[in-house]
Amino acid sequence: DIQMTQSPSSLSASVGDRVTITCRASQSIGSFLNWYQHNPGKAPKLLIYAASSLHSGVTSRFSGSGSGSDFTLTISSLQPEDFATYYCQQSYSVPPTFGGGTKVEIK
Amino acid sequence: QVQLVESGGGVVQPGGSLRLSCAASGLAPATYGMHWVRQVPGTGLEWVAFVRYDGGHHNYADSVKGRFAISRDNSKNTVYLHLNSLRPEDTAVYYCAKDARPLVPDAEYNWFDLWGQGTQVTVSS
Repeated sequence: DIQMTQSPSSLSASVGDRVTITCRASQSIGSFLNWYQHNPGKAPKLLIYAASSLHSGVTSRFSGSGSGSDFTLTISSLQPEDFATYYCQQSYSVPPTFGGGTKVEIK
Repeated sequence: QVQLVESGGGVVQPGGSLRLSCAASGLAPATYGMHWVRQVPGTGLEWVAFVRYDGGHHNYADSVKGRFAISRDNSKNTVYLHLNSLRPEDTAVYYCAKDARPLVPDAEYNWFDLWGQGTQVTVSS
């Protein structure tokens, strides 16, 4: 199975901050990397697919980059509704695997 | 409006069984692969199972292989997860999720563009 490692596991930031989350795959996965936002008790939401494509209806504050085994999710200017946990997920091979998550908290 | 609604969760004793359902509305039937993903308390997301758009192919996580079974009834636009031989470590919120790209034959090269709200499964004596 492909292991996905996210860092940091949590971070504290203020509204308006630029936030970067990284995700590393245990082997090359091309661009088959997706990002999700999850709030407790709610349905996870797709943000970015295929490493850098913004899902329909998602604000352009979110962007993704990377290929091979190293990827980044960036929030350009953190807003109150962005405080949540973020997961990367590889879809290069079965089983699909998720990173451990990054919890973004209010400073 | 396209949505997924899970049901069937509950409290069950170790060794017991449950059947989870995921009803899709606003979706063309027999078009998208469907998945179950779970979140154990205090941990992250774990993929559990996949069923192809026509029900003809399945994949399972090693942790549930031989105990869980995924199926679908395209006439009802519903996907099921049959949970057997349940263990305390299966306690989790179970989400169904939809493939973004239609008519893809396996669980790879895709992403989950729609999720349900989840249903809680608790395995405890």
